[in-house]
Amino acid sequence: KAGVTQTPRYLIKTRGQQVTLSCSPISGHRSVSWYQQTPGQGLQFLFEYFSETQRNKGNFPGRFSGRQFSNSRSEMNVSTLELGDSALYLCASSFYASRDSYNSPLHFGNGTRLTVT
Amino acid sequence: QKEVEQNSGPLSVPEGAIASLNCTYSDRVSQSFFWYRQYSGKSPELIMSIYSNGDKEDGRFTAQLNKASQYVSLLIRDSQPSDSATYLCAATSPGRNAGGTSYGKLTFGQGTILTVHP
Repeated sequence: KAGVTQTPRYLIKTRGQQVTLSCSPISGHRSVSWYQQTPGQGLQFLFEYFSETQRNKGNFPGRFSGRQFSNSRSEMNVSTLELGDSALYLCASSFYASRDSYNSPLHFGNGTRLTVT
Repeated sequence: QKEVEQNSGPLSVPEGAIASLNCTYSDRVSQSFFWYRQYSGKSPELIMSIYSNGDKEDGRFTAQLNKASQYVSLLIRDSQPSDSATYLCAATSPGRNAGGTSYGKLTFGQGTILTVHP
């Protein structure tokens, strides 16, 4: 079974631009979560989607947004990029039997390394 | 207090020794616990899941959970240089959004860097 696929692997953007990152979950997984990882802050939760609905959102500004499509693929968008947005963005998928289940582990993709100059 | 705290490390052990990684969590209603391994420049990889008190063994890895003490640990027996990585502890606690849907809030610790030297 194919793992979580994230594209692109690397991105270089300038301040003020916007960026869209893509994630394809493991087949059969309907939940997709996004995390930001930096050396100083570790893994920080951005948001989680289940069957096209956002279930939970972390403490990030509104410049960070996401969505999930009917085939469970997900995208996240960051507008008006700042230098501090430089990070590894990780997508993870989980198998949940229903909308109210949540104890399954996450399976991470290889990440997108975003550099903002 | 951080929600999930790991022993700061870095931890260095000789090849063949037992490496002990520790984690405490603050939310008493946390229900599921995970250990991930992350090699430098790579993404986190799931090693163990544990949901009930006691020990769970998988090969050279043993996870231990004590909910009364809010403590979870990972033991790596017969440590190998290939085990050198950052180990992340994570805990899931339940929540409910404004729409009434349940979700799991998965929180990660800062990680412990383990080095196994030959």
